[in-house]
Parts: sequence; structure tokens; C-alpha cells
Amino acid sequence: EVHLLESGGTLVQPGKSLRLSCATSGFLFSSHAMSWVRQAPGQGLEWVATITGTGTFKYYADSVRGRFSVSRDNSRSTLFLQMNSLSVEDTAIYYCTRDESQSASDQPPPGSWGQGTLVTVSS
Amino acid sequence: HSALTQPRSVSGSPGQSVTISCTGAGNNIGSYDFVSWYQQISGKAPRLIIYDVYKWPSGVPPRFSGSKSGNTASLTISGLQSEDEAVYYCCSYEAPNTLVFGGGTKVTVL
Repeated sequence: EVHLLESGGTLVQPGKSLRLSCATSGFLFSSHAMSWVRQAPGQGLEWVATITGTGTFKYYADSVRGRFSVSRDNSRSTLFLQMNSLSVEDTAIYYCTRDESQSASDQPPPGSWGQGTLVTVSS
Repeated sequence: HSALTQPRSVSGSPGQSVTISCTGAGNNIGSYDFVSWYQQISGKAPRLIIYDVYKWPSGVPPRFSGSKSGNTASLTISGLQSEDEAVYYCCSYEAPNTLVFGGGTKVTVL
């Protein structure tokens, strides 16, 4: 069974940095693209970033490009999101997701989801 | 402002069918058969129920079906059940290397 467990969410001041982690199990981590998707309180879903299985390619939403960095450690089956220059608009639940590998897309949609970790940016 | 447009809410009685539309543009839904749908029950993480327009992930009942015409994708829930009450989001691939979501549709079972 696929298991995704996010951690690292907390209250942080505007302008500060934060690193999220996602520990995974139940599948061959290095074979799957992974993504972060966020959801602001009471709002819809927003794709944040995707990293391919080898870590070679990384893609970002315009809203976070240049401030956020996605990475992975395939030896530890763990995904990361480094968030810098945080603003109040980054307040959200951040979900770690594994790609739906059966998709024919070169960038498969999120298939499995973690329970999320809450990041609150406030002074 | 979401890249994909969904109605804010739809409703139906148990056993009925409801359809949710998701309107995009030529650079996402109109150009790629990579539309997915998610169900989010209150307080829970989203769950993938349709991918690549009409395909089912393992464990999703065929009561959920997807289709696409032009720049608009649709999700139909047949034989509506009380446990289908949730918010449903569409998602599409958009070149280059972006995923875009709709704003979500609240489905109410009357």
C-alpha cells in the first residue's frame, strides 16, 4: 500500500524559509514522479511543483518559481520542498503526491496523496 | 482565478445522475487528453477518481465516468449516493509542464 507522510509544516513569519518533507513507503520511490499540491484555507487545489523519478527534471508553478525548490532523496524514499521568501499567500495545506503512473501523460497527474501538512505564514 | 472553470455547485437526489463541467482552453483541455478528476470529502485529502479523461484508477466504481468535447471536460456521477457528497476538482495538463486545476464543484445529495 502506498503511504505518504508529510511533515515540517508550522507557523512561520513572512520572508522566512521552511522545508517540508514527505516520507514514503509501499512502492519503488525512484520510479515515480512526485509532486506538491497545496490548498489554501477554504480554497481549491493548486499544483506547486513536480520532480521526475531520477530528479533530473523539476517543474514549478509561476507563483512559486524562484522561491521554492523541490528535491528528492531516492536512497531514503523522501521528497522535499524548500520554501524561501514565504508570504501570507503561501499559507496552505501542502500535500505530497505520487504520480498516477498508468497515465499516458509525460507529466502524470497526482494519483496517491498524503494527508497534508499545514503551513501558516503570519507575523 | 482558476485556469479551469467549474460550476460552484450541483445537486441531485439519490439514484439520479449529475454532471459537472470543466471548461478550459486550447492550451490545456482542448489540446491534451490528460484531464483528471478528484473527489475531496470534507476534511480529507483529495482522491483521484478519473485520469486521462475517462480511465479509472483501481478501486473507483464505474458510477463515475469522464468525457471531453473540445475545451470542456465532464464528470458524470450515475446512481448518486449519499457518500458522493463532496467537492470535485478537475485538473488538466497544460504545456509546458504545468498542471492546472478547476475551482471545485460542491456536489450535494438532496
